[in-house]
Parts: sequence; structure tokens; C-alpha cells
Amino acid sequence: DVKVTQSSRYLVKRTGEKVFLECVQDMDHENMFWYRQDPGLGLRLIYFSYDVKMKEKGDIPEGYSVSREKKERFSLILESASTNQTSMYLCASMTDNTDTQYFGPGTRLTVL
Amino acid sequence: GQNIDQPTEMTATEGAIVQINCTYQTSGFNGLFWYQQHAGEAPTFLSYNVLDGLEEKGRFSSFLSRSKGYSYLLLKELQMKDSASYLCAVRRNRDDKIIFGKGTRLHILP
Repeated sequence: DVKVTQSSRYLVKRTGEKVFLECVQDMDHENMFWYRQDPGLGLRLIYFSYDVKMKEKGDIPEGYSVSREKKERFSLILESASTNQTSMYLCASMTDNTDTQYFGPGTRLTVL
Repeated sequence: GQNIDQPTEMTATEGAIVQINCTYQTSGFNGLFWYQQHAGEAPTFLSYNVLDGLEEKGRFSSFLSRSKGYSYLLLKELQMKDSASYLCAVRRNRDDKIIFGKGTRLHILP
């Protein structure tokens, strides 16, 4: 079974703090994704990565950065958290050879 | 650009059939996904259509018409556990991005 794990299910941070969201997958997938999900807006792609040390901007990269130093780990970084970054953050992974994207359980981030 | 439209909410009765539609406009198309997402949980994969036609998987079927930019998810013999949001997503061929619609929340009544 593919397993995608995220470091926290719930997180509360203050405005201006630096926030790290970690995602790890155990199936040697090449592709990893970070989305945020907000009511009425659906899932929106923040960043994705096709390989180690490679990253591509999604549709809403502003205010975020990512790091992929190892194949199994894809980190989302909020350099200076703001209240409009309060959201559910979902990580996903996918291999090149299939068309199935596997999602982690999500991290609900609240920025006060 | 891209645009993916699906109804916001639908209601159906246990044991019945429901069809959830999705229309899309995108610059380059490489396939269409359907995901199920229960409240508070992550999306889970249901289907992926690349070619025109109907694909059946048990109680769930997915249809695609590339020329019309249209897909539907058909759920038969509805069960209470089918109450969830259903997400339509399109894979673009120019950059392989997967872009999601806003989802359809399906309510099942006993």
C-alpha cells in the first residue's frame, strides 16, 4: 500500500512565524505535490516536484517555497505566515508509470 | 487558462442512481480524474479517463467526451457511505499539472 504521511494533522502558528510542513512517501514516487484546499475554492496547486532538487510553481506559489533534498520528502515552507494562509494543506505523490495520485491525510493550519 | 465546472451540491436517495457532471476548458488535455473525499479526509482516487467512452468499476462508472470537454461520474445503488465530495480534475499535457474543480458535495438521504 502506498503511504503518504504529513508531519502534523493540526497546526496553530502566529503571524510572521516560519512554518515547515513535511510530507514523506514510501513508494519511491518521482512526483510530489502540495495543494491547499479552501471552502468554495477547491484544491489549488501550490508547488510540485518531478525529481530531487527540482521544483515547479503551481497556480498559487506566492508566499510559499518548497524543498526536495531527498526523493521521499517534499517540504512546504511558509517564510512568514499570514492569516490568509490558514487552510487545509494536502500533499500528494505519483509515480511516472501510473496515473494515480495518492494523497496524505492533510494538515489543517491555522495562522493567528 | 483552464476552467473546470461541476455542480456545488447534489442530493440523492439511498438505492438510487446519481450522475455528477464535469465540464472543462483547458489548454491541452491529457486525461481526467475523479476523486472521492469524505469530510475531514484526504481525496481518494476513483478513476482516470484518457480516451472517449465509459469505464465501469463496480457501482461507479466514469464517462469522457474529449470533443465536448465533458465527463460524468455515475454512481449506482447509492449507499449512505457515498455521502462525500466528488472532485473532477484535469491533467494538462503541456506541463502535466493536475488541476482540480471545486468539487460536488453529494448528500444521500435514507
